[in-house]
Amino acid sequence: NAGVTQTPKFRILKIGQSMTLQCTQDMNHNYMYWYRQDPGMGLKLIYYSVGAGITDKGEVPNGYNVSRSTTEDFPLRLELAAPSQTSVYFCASTQKTNTGELFFGEGSRLTVL
Amino acid sequence: QKEVEQNSGPLSVPEGAIASLNCTYSDRGSQSFFWYRQYSGKSPELIMFIYSNGDKEDGRFTAQLNKASQYVSLLIRDSQPSDSATYLCAAKGGAQKLVFGQGTRLTINP
Repeated sequence: NAGVTQTPKFRILKIGQSMTLQCTQDMNHNYMYWYRQDPGMGLKLIYYSVGAGITDKGEVPNGYNVSRSTTEDFPLRLELAAPSQTSVYFCASTQKTNTGELFFGEGSRLTVL
Repeated sequence: QKEVEQNSGPLSVPEGAIASLNCTYSDRGSQSFFWYRQYSGKSPELIMFIYSNGDKEDGRFTAQLNKASQYVSLLIRDSQPSDSATYLCAAKGGAQKLVFGQGTRLTINP
């Protein structure tokens, strides 16, 4: 079982470049989330989706965009990368938000120089 | 005010002792609360969830919830070196979003 797959695992960007972090899940989960984790810190919610075609902002959405055209995929777009976006990004999914069991990808480590 | 707040630690506990981790939340509409464990360089994994006032026990772990005080805690009994990790508290707010605290780094000393 693949679960939640994130690509790429590592990426270095120059200031002002753009890129997309890919996230796909094969569990037919409706709910999907993007978090970022700065060194020594907790997870901050960037965007989330409750189903295909529906997305909403989290705590720190500025500088990011998302789309959810299918149940499986939830890409995160970074426009005009800034050093403040250097972080580890986690994608997660769940079918049951009441139990809180998020299935996480392995994370994508992004460095902006 | 952050939605979910934790003492960032680090918290150091001798092996075999009880580790106590605390969390407060600001949204009174939050209904469910979760504790995740994260080893260094790894993804978080769910330990427990709780949504009723009182205690919930699972093996060496006990989660406690006090909605009136907006307080959640996690007790780890008979702490083991393998419990050394960062512990993340999370709350489910409105519209299905799950918000995390900043995490508490726990070290169990043999």
